[in-house]
Amino acid sequence: QITLKESGPTLVEPTQTLTLTCLFSGFSLTTSGAGVGWIRQPPGEAPEWLAVIFWNDIKRYSPSLKSRLTITKDTSRYQVVLTLTNMGPADTATYYCVHRLGDSSTGGHFDFWGQGSLVTVSS
Amino acid sequence: QSVVTQPPAVSGAPGQTVIISCTGSSSNFGARYGVHWYQQLPGTAPKIVLYGDINRPSGIPDRFSGSRSGTSASLVITGLQAEDEADYYCQTYDIRLSGWLFGGGTRLTVL
Repeated sequence: QITLKESGPTLVEPTQTLTLTCLFSGFSLTTSGAGVGWIRQPPGEAPEWLAVIFWNDIKRYSPSLKSRLTITKDTSRYQVVLTLTNMGPADTATYYCVHRLGDSSTGGHFDFWGQGSLVTVSS
Repeated sequence: QSVVTQPPAVSGAPGQTVIISCTGSSSNFGARYGVHWYQQLPGTAPKIVLYGDINRPSGIPDRFSGSRSGTSASLVITGLQAEDEADYYCQTYDIRLSGWLFGGGTRLTVL
């Protein structure tokens, strides 16, 4: 069974950098087609895709946030890390780590989600 | 433009059928990428209820079905039950964005 769990700060000050860690189990990020991503959801709004990293180290970023995002993986530790720089109030959201099911680095859907981590940006 | 549109709200009485629509564009639906549907209950993470336009994951009742035509897709829920009351989101892949796109969501109310 695939599980994912997010960890990181619940409160971030404006201009700071957010670092979130996803610890996953039940699959390997070395398997062809495997991908782990991050999706966020501001309160009362729709989910917004942020980034995905694949088994072959291909990375894809939301164009609107690309300059602020970095996604990395540590396959031996079953971890994926997301950083988002220059945080502002609009970045307040629940951040989800997700497993992407598909057979290439495009398309597919998110079949398993972490419980989510609420991050609030405030001074 | 890379936008996927859903009606903000739909409603139905128990036992009835509701249809939630999702409209895309040439850069997503038109590029033949699959449409996927998620159900989000209050305070929980979204859960996949349909993938690849018409496929149900194990554990999802056959009251949930999907269809697709051109740049539109639909989620159909028959025999509506109180437990179906939730927010529903469609999702696809957009070649212009080179990324994944969610619709704005539809709140289903069971009367």
